[in-house]
Amino acid sequence: DTAVSQTPKYLVTQMGNDKSIKCEQNLGHDTMYWYKQDSKKFLKIMFSYNNKELIINETVPNRFSPKSPDKAHLNLHINSLELGDSAVYFCASSQGRGRTDTQYFGPGTRLTVL
Amino acid sequence: GDSVTQMEGPVTLSEEAFLTINCTYTATGYPSLFWYVQYPGEGLQLLLKATKADDKGSNKGFEATYRKETTSFHLEKGSVQVSDSAVYFCALSLYGNNRLAFGKGNQVVVIP
Repeated sequence: DTAVSQTPKYLVTQMGNDKSIKCEQNLGHDTMYWYKQDSKKFLKIMFSYNNKELIINETVPNRFSPKSPDKAHLNLHINSLELGDSAVYFCASSQGRGRTDTQYFGPGTRLTVL
Repeated sequence: GDSVTQMEGPVTLSEEAFLTINCTYTATGYPSLFWYVQYPGEGLQLLLKATKADDKGSNKGFEATYRKETTSFHLEKGSVQVSDSAVYFCALSLYGNNRLAFGKGNQVVVIP
């Protein structure tokens, strides 16, 4: 029944490793997002996909690469993890790209880089 | 750029007290405005939204009115409960640019 789900919920890893976070939505939405929440709880968008097409790519290091195999899934792969990547990553989805479209968030993935 | 400003610092209040959290925005167009709530250990949930000037969003006893003249969207609740303890985020979204720009959030702690 979960609308937007993410795996894993927690991820602890060493610097330099490569890791992926998966996101799935069962709402039939066309648009999906990745947000990063830092230790002070500030939220910032990273990427957005619409029907598998990348439409927003903020100033994120190219170590971060999103992939959308279909419009229900948006995964985030991170290469060469750094200490500063430690954060909570939220996936979200919305029906469309309009300013009135509500974004629905997943439960988050807490990434800790040691 | 487009941005949202929330009042600084956590908010601590007693059960049944009146809650106000201030939110002002800067935007080049006519944004939609949202309040999201994050309960401990959970993701964000939409609390309410307003898409045009003078609209009032309401949910679970919370209200906010879109004030274009003061570029504000303050959140209010008349009588808070312990279960309202959470972090509250104000956000905006602009036409043709569907990213949400968030404020820094306010931690609300309601004491019994």
